[in-house]
Amino acid sequence: GAGVSQSPRYKVAKRGQDVALRCDPISGHVSLFWYQQALGQGPEFLTYFQNEAQLDKSGLPSDRFFAERPEGSVSTLKIQRTQQEDSAVYLCASSRAPGGATGELFFGEGSRLTVL
Amino acid sequence: SQQGEEDPQALSIQEGENATMNCSYKTSINNLQWYRQNSGRGLVHLILIRSNEREKHSGRLRVTLDTSKKSSSLLITASRAADTASYFCATDSYSGTYKYIFGTGTRLKVLA
Repeated sequence: GAGVSQSPRYKVAKRGQDVALRCDPISGHVSLFWYQQALGQGPEFLTYFQNEAQLDKSGLPSDRFFAERPEGSVSTLKIQRTQQEDSAVYLCASSRAPGGATGELFFGEGSRLTVL
Repeated sequence: SQQGEEDPQALSIQEGENATMNCSYKTSINNLQWYRQNSGRGLVHLILIRSNEREKHSGRLRVTLDTSKKSSSLLITASRAADTASYFCATDSYSGTYKYIFGTGTRLKVLA
């Protein structure tokens, strides 16, 4: 596609429910990042994939968070047993080069998660 | 988290004025980027400056980088109402792999 696509754009979940957020990066982009953005804050790093390999998951806040990119393109961020503190916008970004250090990140519009 | 800090946190100016926002970071970098975010939208890349560069221009944008002070500034000249957005700096961080660490952002409001 022309840009990074995320779905759903909005998700309301009851506390304790599991959610899955999808990211479709720009075709051919090697690097894929997930960020979490709380209201009024900057994006906080969650995890990084180079193709299908998850090379860095140091930002995942707990073992309830899980991300995958099985074929090196589409990625899914799964949150199990959601808590109210998980409410945030989840941003996906992709980059042409391996690692993010060599160029710009292309962001999707984000998935806004509200946990009631 | 190890976010950088932007200041000011919020800035309100009149159309036609210049807007300057600053970013400080903590560790050595290879490059620094500035991004813009309109309300409810994703981030859009504005400009990248490498650690061996001191100044860079792109249209109405001017970015400076002082690696000795670990700081950068973004200047938007002749601002327009459409420049109203949040602006973030992002620094690359290496800890086994590369990732970008974002600052807390400056919310710019340009009044028509």
